[in-house]
Amino acid sequence: DTAVSQTPKYLVTQMGNDKSIKCEQNLGHDTMYWYKQDSKKFLKIMFSYNNKELIINETVPNRFSPKSPDKAHLNLHINSLELGDSAVYFCASSIRGGSEQFFGPGTRLTVL
Amino acid sequence: QQQVKQSPQSLIVQKGGISIINCAYENTAFDYFPWYQQFPGKGPALLIAIRPDVSEKKEGRFTISFNKSAKQFSLHIMDSQPGDSATYFCAASDSGSARQLTFGSGTQLTVLP
Repeated sequence: DTAVSQTPKYLVTQMGNDKSIKCEQNLGHDTMYWYKQDSKKFLKIMFSYNNKELIINETVPNRFSPKSPDKAHLNLHINSLELGDSAVYFCASSIRGGSEQFFGPGTRLTVL
Repeated sequence: QQQVKQSPQSLIVQKGGISIINCAYENTAFDYFPWYQQFPGKGPALLIAIRPDVSEKKEGRFTISFNKSAKQFSLHIMDSQPGDSATYFCAASDSGSARQLTFGSGTQLTVLP
């Protein structure tokens, strides 16, 4: 059973397009996160979200927006994709206030 | 501003040797220090973690040493195995900001057979 799943695993698209990455967790967690891993493998937090609070890292462009239809899902929408958005995006989840985060397998986004 | 600094960037160790990866942090509000292991094409997976009220934590071949006054912590992998070859990330979080993790830059560990 997959704890944190992401779709798609690979996403190749043209500059200027709008795309979404889906994330689902079956752990019963109530806090979810999105991280970006760049080409040098550096991991950086983008968002954290529970049903009451969205925390956005100040460096994230407003072209990126998380959408949560329910507690088990946190999707990432990206508008007007740019070359620099090419990276691997990881979703993660934890219990509220909990320390241990469980990561999904990642989505490799390539913007041409 | 890189709040968690990690070294070395890469490390090559012979099978059976000890692998040591070091991290230093700046934010004194950090109160949780995990290490994550990442294999190619996979997401990071929690390996071991420590809180600043203890100076050492051991789980099997993996040990975290923590020096609160120096704001440093390190991962020691004893009896390193080829299967340990992966990228290791130290991280830190505080009780605010929904415990968002601040990661170090990663260490590519290669264990030679």
